[in-house]
Amino acid sequence: AQSVTQPDIHITVSEGASLELRCNYSYGATPYLFWYVQSPGQGLQLLLKYFSGDTLVQGIKGFEAEFKRSQSSFNLRKPSVHWSDAAEYFCAVGTAPYGQNFVFGPGTRLSVLP
Amino acid sequence: SQTIHQWPATLVQPVGSPLSLECTVEGTSNPNLYWYRQAAGRGLQLLFYSVGIGQISSEVPQNLSASRPQDRQFILSSKKLLLSDSGFYLCAWRQGAADGYTFGSGTRLTVV
Repeated sequence: AQSVTQPDIHITVSEGASLELRCNYSYGATPYLFWYVQSPGQGLQLLLKYFSGDTLVQGIKGFEAEFKRSQSSFNLRKPSVHWSDAAEYFCAVGTAPYGQNFVFGPGTRLSVLP
Repeated sequence: SQTIHQWPATLVQPVGSPLSLECTVEGTSNPNLYWYRQAAGRGLQLLFYSVGIGQISSEVPQNLSASRPQDRQFILSSKKLLLSDSGFYLCAWRQGAADGYTFGSGTRLTVV
């Protein structure tokens, strides 16, 4: 079974600074990889996804992520953070349509200082 | 376009009372439907998923049940709520392995 780790529980950055959120996965083949964002009290919104092709994927809200097979990582990046980016970010790994084959990481909470 | 509706947005229920949370999807047919729970400060826990009408799979033993009476309707229920049932409940649908989830806006359940 696959698993996902997000080493950073909470990250604080200043507005305008760059951001990188880490995600590592464990799976025998290339999985489907996702990043979601959750604002307080809201559902999750898909930022971007990867399952084949170019290992650098662009998402919404200026986010991008890079798949590195050798490191089993799928880190999320943004060159300049805005105060509205403060939220919880979840990395997820899926291998099939059904529930037990889609796993969310524990999440990283992002705080943005003015 | 596909949309997912989840209600109510917030709910405060006493211990021992019943629960019914409803989720409906529009703009798609035969979706895979899911119920997740997110406890305070914790990640997402898959509770149930359904691949078709009347087909429910439970991921964890619990005080909850799910039903899918129609193709685009997914209901989460309990006969008697426990304090530990408090949390943020999210309904989601997904079409295939390459698709991400589309989540509803969630229901904040507080059992008192």
